[in-house]
Amino acid sequence: DAGVIQSPRHEVTEMGQEVTLRCKPISGHNSLFWYRQTMMRGLELLIYFNNNVPIDDSGMPEDRFSAKMPNASFSTLKIQPSEPRDSAVYFCASSFGTRGEGEKLFFGSGTQLSVL
Amino acid sequence: SQQGEEDPQALSIQEGENATMNCSYKTSINNLQWYRQNSGRGLVHLILIRSNEREKHSGRLRVTLDTSKKSSSLLITASRAADTASYFCATFQGAQKLVFGQGTRLTINP
Repeated sequence: DAGVIQSPRHEVTEMGQEVTLRCKPISGHNSLFWYRQTMMRGLELLIYFNNNVPIDDSGMPEDRFSAKMPNASFSTLKIQPSEPRDSAVYFCASSFGTRGEGEKLFFGSGTQLSVL
Repeated sequence: SQQGEEDPQALSIQEGENATMNCSYKTSINNLQWYRQNSGRGLVHLILIRSNEREKHSGRLRVTLDTSKKSSSLLITASRAADTASYFCATFQGAQKLVFGQGTRLTINP
């Protein structure tokens, strides 16, 4: 099993540009999560999906952020337009979504985003 | 808002010693999880303890849970240099909203 796959690993862009982060969850997992990690705010849950449907996007900071999950094996997080304060490590995670052990999250390696 | 808060924020010990990290949370839980994050990497799940369990072991890890005090502890015995990492506790706010604490940065000195 390849685990959760995120791309790109690093992204450097200029303020105002559109940024798209990609995630492939573990096959068979029904839940997918996007987190953002910064030194100041720690790990923040941005949005999560269950069976490809967005369940809670209350953590999405602004309308500049959007996330989609068109099928069970792919999700994107888009920032448009990007701002320097969006600089962070963005993690995607997936789980079976069932009670108990199924609630363990498996994380990707993250995308280090730098907005200049 | 953070559901889990770890204590201490940073811990530095000698290799071979035991490391204890604590976590407090605010609301009732079904389970509590601990994760490890090595520098520059994603989080890795270590152990899940259910609300009806008081203690759980996995290798050199021992987790306790006290629901009356809304607290948990993670003990790493006979620490190794490879245990150097940040450790996070996590609990659910709502059905699937897993919220993490700020973490404890553990450094094992050779």
